[in-house]
Amino acid sequence: KAGVTQTPRYLIKTRGQQVTLSCSPISGHRSVSWYQQTPGQGLQFLFEYFSETQRNKGNFPGRFSGRQFSNSRSEMNVSTLELGDSALYLCASSLLGGEAAGYTFGSGTRLTVV
Amino acid sequence: SQQGEEDPQALSIQEGENATMNCSYKTSINNLQWYRQNSGRGLVHLILIRSNEREKHSGRLRVTLDTSKKSSSLLITASRAADTASYFCATDRVQGAQKLVFGQGTRLTINP
Repeated sequence: KAGVTQTPRYLIKTRGQQVTLSCSPISGHRSVSWYQQTPGQGLQFLFEYFSETQRNKGNFPGRFSGRQFSNSRSEMNVSTLELGDSALYLCASSLLGGEAAGYTFGSGTRLTVV
Repeated sequence: SQQGEEDPQALSIQEGENATMNCSYKTSINNLQWYRQNSGRGLVHLILIRSNEREKHSGRLRVTLDTSKKSSSLLITASRAADTASYFCATDRVQGAQKLVFGQGTRLTINP
């Protein structure tokens, strides 16, 4: 079966711009989570969606937002980009929430803010 | 904020040797998971151990969990060059489920 697909793989944006990242989960998976990975802070949870509803949210400013569509595909948006938003953004999918068998991660989107 | 610490931060061993990585966490958990990451790519799920389990095996991997000490260890036996990667533990907490909290990771290098 196809894995988790994240697009684009690489992105360069200027401070102040906004960006939208996309994640297509494994077919049949209804939970999609987003994580930010930076050298300084490591892997940090952004938010989790299940059946188009946000179930959990991490400690990130309101500039970070997301949504999930009826086909379980998810997007995350970052507005008014700052240099510190440069990171690898990872999407993870699971059937219900990862409790039974863990999560399947995509290859990530590398965002560079200049 | 990170759930806990991983020890060591970096580990370099010879091919064929065993590698042991440790993870500590702070709060009550539903389960603890280990992931591997190659060169800043996506994370690969290795193994999940539930809070009521003490040990689990998968191929060359052995994971232990001590909930009284809030710690876990990952043992990779008979290491191979392809095992070179960063390894992360992640906890799925009782308070805040469906939200993995990761350690800082152990960078493992296998020398041929």
